[in-house]
Amino acid sequence: RKEVEQDPGPFNVPEGATVAFNCTYSNSASQSFFWYRQDCRKEPKLLMSVYSSGNEDGRFTAQLNRASQYISLLIRDSKLSDSATYLCVVPNTNAGKSTFGDGTTLTVKP
Amino acid sequence: SQTIHQWPATLVQPVGSPLSLECTVEGTSNPNLYWYRQAAGRGLQLLFYSVGIGQISSEVPQNLSASRPQDRQFILSSKKLLLSDSGFYLCAWSRGYRDTEAFFGQGTRLTVV
Repeated sequence: RKEVEQDPGPFNVPEGATVAFNCTYSNSASQSFFWYRQDCRKEPKLLMSVYSSGNEDGRFTAQLNRASQYISLLIRDSKLSDSATYLCVVPNTNAGKSTFGDGTTLTVKP
Repeated sequence: SQTIHQWPATLVQPVGSPLSLECTVEGTSNPNLYWYRQAAGRGLQLLFYSVGIGQISSEVPQNLSASRPQDRQFILSSKKLLLSDSGFYLCAWSRGYRDTEAFFGQGTRLTVV
């Protein structure tokens, strides 16, 4: 089993739609989690941090389910500019490094 | 504020040539440093990470090596490039304790021809 698994998609949604991505992880010791956004041919950039049950920032909501070991990212009222690849990241508490999921690709269409 | 610089942005190198990519971080001390590679349409693969000067951990066997000659400098090298070394190389840093987010440089797109 991979340490971090994401549905690769692609997710193709119309503008205004609500879309959710899931990410499962195997390291039960992880205390915090992150979602990154990566635009085509660019570096990943931090989108949201999740330290407890969840976090909300405008149209974006990240939720954490420790019992089932998954985190989710919900995007409401999708915009064309939301088109990107979304990476789930789980820090390795022992080694000081992080494991990235392979990413979920979102395309928002007019 | 902290910044990370990575260069060059693009590089085309012939097979068998050497490689040196440099990354520097400003505005923080004793960061954890990372080199990732991303193949086209794929996820990020951790190549090396360092928790201090001269301390390098390699994640996967490969044709590459890394060095950390100074606290905020991380270098990725190869003596002889292979075609399979082509990819998008990303340097990143995080604070030197667990459960923290990483911040990326702008990446180097390497094409080995």
